[in-house]
Amino acid sequence: QVQLQESGPGLVKPSQTLSLTCTVSGGFISSGDYYWSWIRQPAGKGPEWIGRIYTDGSTDYNPSFKTRVTISVDTSKNQFSLMLTSVTAADTAVYYCTRGSLRADYWGRGTRVTVSS
Amino acid sequence: QSALTQPPSASGSPGQSVTISCTGTSDDVGGFEHVSWYQQHPGKAPKLIIYDVNKRPFGVPDRFSGSKSGNTASLTVSGLQADDEADYYCNSYAGSNNIVIFGGGTTLTV
Repeated sequence: QVQLQESGPGLVKPSQTLSLTCTVSGGFISSGDYYWSWIRQPAGKGPEWIGRIYTDGSTDYNPSFKTRVTISVDTSKNQFSLMLTSVTAADTAVYYCTRGSLRADYWGRGTRVTVSS
Repeated sequence: QSALTQPPSASGSPGQSVTISCTGTSDDVGGFEHVSWYQQHPGKAPKLIIYDVNKRPFGVPDRFSGSKSGNTASLTVSGLQADDEADYYCNSYAGSNNIVIFGGGTTLTV
C-alpha cells in the first residue's frame, strides 16, 4: 500500500520561501508510470493544482505559480519536494502531495501551512 | 485557465439518486477523456472515486458513476447513503497549458 507523508514548517513569514517534502513509502518513486503532484486547498475552498514531476524529472506547473514554484525529486530518499518563493497570506492552505495528477489515487494527509509574520 | 464550474450544493434523500455537474470548455472537459471526481469528508484528504470520465478505482462502489456530454461532465450517486454526505470535486486535463484544473466543489447533503 503506497503511503505519502508531507513534512515541513507550518508557519512561514511573508516574502520567504515555503519548502515542503513528501516522503513516499510502500513503493518507489522511480518505478511505474506516475506523476507526483502537489495540490493545495485554502480553507473552505476547492483544491488547486500546483504542479507535478514525472519519474524522469520533467515538470509541469500551474501558470498561476510558474515564476515562484519548483518541484524536485530525490529518488535516493524516495521523496519529492515543493519550493514556493515570495509567499503571501494568499498562500495559506493545506498542502497535499499525491501520486498522480489527473488520477490522483494516493494522497498524503496534508500539512497546514500558514503565512504570517 | 479558469476553474471548472460546479453547483455549490446538491441534496437527496437516502436511497435516491443525485447528479452533480462539472462544466468546462473545449480546452479541458470537452477536449479530453480525462475527468476525475473526488470525494472529501471534513478534515480528510480527497479520495478518488472516478477517473477518465467513467472509470472507478478498485473498491469504489458502483453506486458512483461518471459521464460526459460536450463540455460538461457529471457524477451520479445512486442509492444515497448517509456517508455519501461530503464535498465532491471534479478535475480535468487542460491541454493548452498542459495543466490540471479543479472545480470549485459541490457539497452533497443526504
